[in-house]
Amino acid sequence: GENVEQHPSTLSVQEGDSAVIKCTYSDSASNYFPWYKQELGKGPQLIIDIRSNVGEKKDQRIAVTLNKTAKHFSLHITETQPEDSAVYFCAAVTGTASKLTFGTGTRLQVTL
Amino acid sequence: NAGVTQTPKFRILKIGQSMTLQCTQDMNHNYMYWYRQDPGMGLKLIYYSVGAGITDKGEVPNGYNVSRSTTEDFPLRLELAAPSQTSVYFCASSYTGASNEKLFFGSGTQLSVL
Repeated sequence: GENVEQHPSTLSVQEGDSAVIKCTYSDSASNYFPWYKQELGKGPQLIIDIRSNVGEKKDQRIAVTLNKTAKHFSLHITETQPEDSAVYFCAAVTGTASKLTFGTGTRLQVTL
Repeated sequence: NAGVTQTPKFRILKIGQSMTLQCTQDMNHNYMYWYRQDPGMGLKLIYYSVGAGITDKGEVPNGYNVSRSTTEDFPLRLELAAPSQTSVYFCASSYTGASNEKLFFGSGTQLSVL
């Protein structure tokens, strides 16, 4: 089955700096890569996703890049703000499978 | 619009006790999922359902059972609680499945087995 590795496990940045979280996946057939944000005491929420036919996608301060050859994808947050502090999960889906495989999460702390 | 609702929010069980975690959604979603979240381990899929009457095992199904008698409800049953089942449990749903669209998550049930 699919295996997703995520780094780093914790990340601390100053407000206004950029943050990058990286994930690798094992199954070359994986074709959908969502990112979820989990705030304290809440369930995860989708913030951005990318499909295997696209190399990069942006939504305001958030971007995701995908390198299919190397089997890795990354989340980029620019101009970080305190409200970006949360746990971020990457995930991968293979083919038409109805299941997501999640990474182990990155705790991002944005300090003033 | 309530989305995905989980009850209870917190529960403490003794070893060997049984309980049912409730999950209901009001979005007419076909797909429903149960995940557990352990510290530093991400979310692991326990069971999922692609529609009423259809369920299938995920990555970590041992010690759990599910049923899907209606589109709205997807309860998770723990028959003989063990300390290894101490975790935060999340229910999620989507209309066409995880490969096509986002999952909507509930707010979770924190379970401790002592």
